[in-house]
Amino acid sequence: DVKVTQSSRYLVKRTGEKVFLECVQDMDHENMFWYRQDPGLGLRLIYFSYDVKMKEKGDIPEGYSVSREKKERFSLILESASTNQTSMYLCASSTPHRRSYEQYFGPGTRLTVT
Amino acid sequence: LAKTTQPISMDSYEGQEVNITCSHNNIATNDYITWYQQFPSQGPRFIIQGYKTKVTNEVASLFIPADRKSSTLSLPRVSLSDTAVYYCLVGDMNTNAGKSTFGDGTTLTVKP
Repeated sequence: DVKVTQSSRYLVKRTGEKVFLECVQDMDHENMFWYRQDPGLGLRLIYFSYDVKMKEKGDIPEGYSVSREKKERFSLILESASTNQTSMYLCASSTPHRRSYEQYFGPGTRLTVT
Repeated sequence: LAKTTQPISMDSYEGQEVNITCSHNNIATNDYITWYQQFPSQGPRFIIQGYKTKVTNEVASLFIPADRKSSTLSLPRVSLSDTAVYYCLVGDMNTNAGKSTFGDGTTLTVKP
């Protein structure tokens, strides 16, 4: 069964801390994504990776960076967390070998920055 | 990526058919139309995808007119468990590697 896991369901961090959000997929997918979801704003793409060590900025990359050292793992990094980064973070993966490029999502990490 | 417009919310009753329409006036020739469903505290889940005319699977149908400037997701005989947010996405699956822009979605509330 397809599975995308995220390291934490809930996370509380202080302003200025460096935060790592980890995502792992077991489907050997080439593409991985990080989104944030806020009430009234839908899902917004932060970063996207189509291969190991490759990344592309999404719609709102400011304040974030990513790392993809292995195919199955995609990390989102908040270099210096701020309160406006309090949000639900969702990771997803997909493969070009399925014509639909269907994205499989993880359960999400609700991050609170105080 | 083409911008989409959907109604913010819709209400329905159990057993009814629900149609959610999405507008995508600047859809490009190579763009596909994809719909996702999201329940509270979960990630979105793929429902259906199409390019033109009609696509049907075990969950829903997708109707796309000839000009492709809109699409309609049809959910037959909804139940309370279909209460969710539904997102319409439009994008070129070949050049954007499945990168998608999710809009605000339509919150469907099914009442008993």
